[in-house]
Amino acid sequence: AQKVTQAQTEISVVEKEDVTLDCVYETRDTTYYLFWYKQPPSGELVFLIRRNSFDEQNEISGRYSWNFQKSTSSFNFTITASQVVDSAVYFCATENFNKFYFGSGTKLNVKP
Amino acid sequence: GAVVSQHPSWVICKSGTSVKIECRSLDFQATTMFWYRQFPKQSLMLMATSNEGSKATYEQGVEKDKFLINHASLTLSTLTVTSAHPEDSSFYICSAPRDRAYEQYFGPGTRLTVT
Repeated sequence: AQKVTQAQTEISVVEKEDVTLDCVYETRDTTYYLFWYKQPPSGELVFLIRRNSFDEQNEISGRYSWNFQKSTSSFNFTITASQVVDSAVYFCATENFNKFYFGSGTKLNVKP
Repeated sequence: GAVVSQHPSWVICKSGTSVKIECRSLDFQATTMFWYRQFPKQSLMLMATSNEGSKATYEQGVEKDKFLINHASLTLSTLTVTSAHPEDSSFYICSAPRDRAYEQYFGPGTRLTVT
């Protein structure tokens, strides 16, 4: 069974602070994909990253970076120098046969 | 631009009525589409898999007679909430894989309010 745990329900930071969103997953698959999505107040999901289970290399994209550690089944997401526009709900997810299993989400509040 | 659309983007209906939500893949064919439901301040939960040319498959706990799914063509799936009640008020999101899971596109969602 697929399961994703995002223990942080809500995080508040002040602009320019760095913030890390945690994600722990469970899967029996040997090959799997992990995802992060951003959901602004409009509701539309914004794709951020997809990671193949074979690729444990950390990834950086601008102010965003992801730390994938298979040994601890974690796929954490860090925003460096946060901005007000980063305020949203962030979901971590796994996929199994095209079905997505989302964590409960972390609401990020970035205050000016 | 968007590759999966939903219509309507929001709808208000009275209790006891039925409402239809459309999900379209805009520039690709999707033999399978998925429907998710998101209650306020909660996560997205998979409701069902819409299969073109065959019956939909529903996740455990989802009433198939209440949430009718029809995948009429390779680009269109519809979700009909029958005899809607206030507890059906939710945000409904569809998705369609293009080739593989990593090319899965989510629709913009439909906000349903049942009064």
